[in-house]
Amino acid sequence: QKEVEQDPGPLSVPEGAIVSLNCTYSNSAFQYFMWYRQYSRKGPELLMYTYSSGNKEDGRFTAQVDKSSKYISLFIRDSQPSDSATYLCAMSARGTDSWGKLQFGAGTQVVVTP
Amino acid sequence: IAGITQAPTSQILAAGRRMTLRCTQDMRHNAMYWYRQDLGLGLRLIHYSNTAGTTGKGEVPDGYSVSRANTDDFPLTLASAVPSQTSVYFCASSEQYNQPQHFGDGTRLSIL
Repeated sequence: QKEVEQDPGPLSVPEGAIVSLNCTYSNSAFQYFMWYRQYSRKGPELLMYTYSSGNKEDGRFTAQVDKSSKYISLFIRDSQPSDSATYLCAMSARGTDSWGKLQFGAGTQVVVTP
Repeated sequence: IAGITQAPTSQILAAGRRMTLRCTQDMRHNAMYWYRQDLGLGLRLIHYSNTAGTTGKGEVPDGYSVSRANTDDFPLTLASAVPSQTSVYFCASSEQYNQPQHFGDGTRLSIL
């Protein structure tokens, strides 16, 4: 079983809809949580970064972390065709043994149709 | 524009050849990383370096080597390429460990 599970999609939504993405994980030591956006033939671009549990909002993007359920989410409001990309979740744990080592989900492909 | 530069952007290589992928960052980040990205498997860490002069093994280090002679450069070498090393390779950096990582645009490598 992978440490981080993410539905590969594709997830197709009409323009203006809310996009809901999520990842589950098994390692309770994870405390740093990130969401990346990756356009075709480009590198991942950091969207959101949260530490421990709670919500974080940045413009149209909201990230949620529920450590009790080992579940993280990303919501994109008022979705645009330019949001069409693959979204990767990533997480890491504190401590020197897990130093800096991000565990990535496989990514969810999102298609926003005009 | 500050960021990470990877070269080449793509390469076709015969099996058994030696190949070095280049990575340079101008953000003065201490930590640097190499990943490979394969369909269905996501990003997997090959090697990392937390500061100039030190390196460490990631999840899939076999067949790859790295060096970190200075802060800015972190080359990845395939000593004798094999077809299973066909992948997209990404270099990343972060200011310190456990800080968010920033990625280059990758090198697409095909081993025939």
